Parts: sequence; C-alpha cells; structure tokens
Amino acid sequence: DAKTTQPPSMDCAEGRAANLPCNHSTISGNEYVYWYRQIHSQGPQYIIHGLKNNETNEMASLIITEDRKSSTLILPHATLRDTAVYYCIVETSGSARQLTFGSGTQLTVLP
Amino acid sequence: GAVVSQHPSWVICKSGTSVKIECRSLDFQATTMFWYRQFPKQSLMLMATSNEGSKATYEQGVEKDKFLINHASLTLSTLTVTSAHPEDSSFYICSAMEGTGGYEQYFGPGTRLTVT
Repeated sequence: DAKTTQPPSMDCAEGRAANLPCNHSTISGNEYVYWYRQIHSQGPQYIIHGLKNNETNEMASLIITEDRKSSTLILPHATLRDTAVYYCIVETSGSARQLTFGSGTQLTVLP
Repeated sequence: GAVVSQHPSWVICKSGTSVKIECRSLDFQATTMFWYRQFPKQSLMLMATSNEGSKATYEQGVEKDKFLINHASLTLSTLTVTSAHPEDSSFYICSAMEGTGGYEQYFGPGTRLTVT
C-alpha cells in the first residue's frame, strides 16, 4: 500500500486559501487519493477524493499532479472552523477499502 | 448526507468490567463497518473490519477475544471491550460504508472510554 507524507503543521490566515500538500510517490495506478479532516475530539470528516483529474466540491479542491506522485488540497477561503488535522490517504487495495491514517497536517487558521 | 452515530459518547468503567459501544448507520445500509482506536495526540489505528453477517477481520496485534465485534444487521455494529484495563482507555471511532459501493467512509463522532 502506498504511503503518504505530509507536513506536520501549517498556519493560514482567516479568509485566505489554505494549500495542504501531500506526497504519495509510490501510489499505484488504481489507487485513489482521499482527504479527511478531524476536528479535535470528533470523528473524521470526508472532504474529497480523486484518481487522476482535479476535483472540486463545496468544501475544497483537489489538485493531483500529472504523475500522481503528489497532490494538494485547497480550502479556498479558510475559516476558524477549518482548524483541524487533515489526513491525506491513499486507498488500500482490496475490496474492504480500509483506510490507513498517517500523522496528518495540523492546520491552524489564525484570525 | 450519510450519518453515523455512536453510543455512548463517553463512558467511565472500572477495571475488569466490560463495555459495549454501538455504531449505527442512520440513513443508509452499511455492509462494511470499521472500528478504529485513537490515543491522545496520535492518529487513528484500524482495529478491525466488520462485515454484516460474518466474523470480523482483526488487524495484527488486536486481540479478538478482548475486543468483540458483532455486525448483526446492516445498520448496527457493536464493539465490546471485555475485562477492560486502564491501558484500554482511548477514543474509539467507527465508520461505515454504503452497501452500494460508494467511495466515502462515514465516521461516527467517537466514544471516549476511560477505565479506572
């Protein structure tokens, strides 16, 4: 299973875009990139996922490089409520689709 | 969106007793549910995968006789921590996947277990 590498922490000013990078250089062709976030003492929340193409939903945008070895999650207008740990996960192969959580990035949105 | 609930949200029990945690998918059928454990300042660790009507698959290092998982229906999975000890104190989180083959896992709010 592919592993991911994320910076341990990042700060972002409220109202500005937050760009969270993730490296997944050993990803295989049929593995998806998922992003989840966990606000303190809550269960994780699904944000977005993608395979090859860039994706956008009401929460965020996901930019995947052409070689698929890295990706960036973009929160276009960060708010204080976006302060959380963000996890970049590559889907485990197999039918169970179990998720392996790394250490994630602690994003702190500053007023 | 899909909602997963957990009960209780927190529990305190004495060492040696057993505690049952429920995980319910409220508005969808979940053929697969997952149980995670999270210690303070650490990431989530998968404990087991639970499929409706069959035995759970435990991750390496997780004692199946200590952490009993039952997935008797498409909307309910339970985790029973038997003979709990203080080192079992943790945040237990379940997640569920829709039976239609969706890609997202929906997580419950978690259960804080403290064993005294």
